[in-house]
Amino acid sequence: DIQMTQSPSSLSASVGDRVTITCRASQSISSYLNWYQQKPGKAPKLLIHAASSLHSGVPSRFSGSGSETDFTLTISNLQPEDFATYYCQQSYSSLMYTFGPGTKLEIK
Amino acid sequence: QVRLQESGPGLVKPAQTLSLTCTVSGGSISSGDYYWSWIRQPPGKGLEWIGYIYYSDSTYYNPSLKSRITILEDTSKNQFSLELSSVTAADTAIYYCARHSSLTTDAFDVWGQGTMVTVSS
Repeated sequence: DIQMTQSPSSLSASVGDRVTITCRASQSISSYLNWYQQKPGKAPKLLIHAASSLHSGVPSRFSGSGSETDFTLTISNLQPEDFATYYCQQSYSSLMYTFGPGTKLEIK
Repeated sequence: QVRLQESGPGLVKPAQTLSLTCTVSGGSISSGDYYWSWIRQPPGKGLEWIGYIYYSDSTYYNPSLKSRITILEDTSKNQFSLELSSVTAADTAIYYCARHSSLTTDAFDVWGQGTMVTVSS
């Protein structure tokens, strides 16, 4: 199985800040990396697919980069509605999709 | 606009079979363009992919759950279902159904709202 790790596991930031979340795969997954946002009591929402492609309707302050094993999600100009938990997910192995453990973004 | 809605019992006894249904509206599950997955999330924890079904009843399951899972589709009702046998407390979770496709590198782009299932006697 391809294992996914994320760092940090949590972080505090203020409205207007720029934050970066890192995701690492245990083996190369090319660009088959997706990012989700989940708020309490809600289903996850797709933010970015294929490492850097912004999903329809997602604000442009969200961006993704990376390839092979190392990926980042960057949120510029944090807004109050961005405080949530973020998950990465690899879709390289269609026989076993795996998610990272999540990064909780809290208000400072 | 495609919508997914999970349904099923919220409480299942240990050793019994958990059965859930996902009803798809706004699109056909037999179009062949999409895959239909089940994903779960234990309370306060992360996400675990369970398995998916694809056009013509092709299925792929998480190896760690494979011996206990069956995913089926009912194209006449535009639904797909999950059966998880021999449940234990470790199967207590929110269960989501979700859609994915190669158009978005198999990212899960549409999710149901989720349904909480508790395993308890």
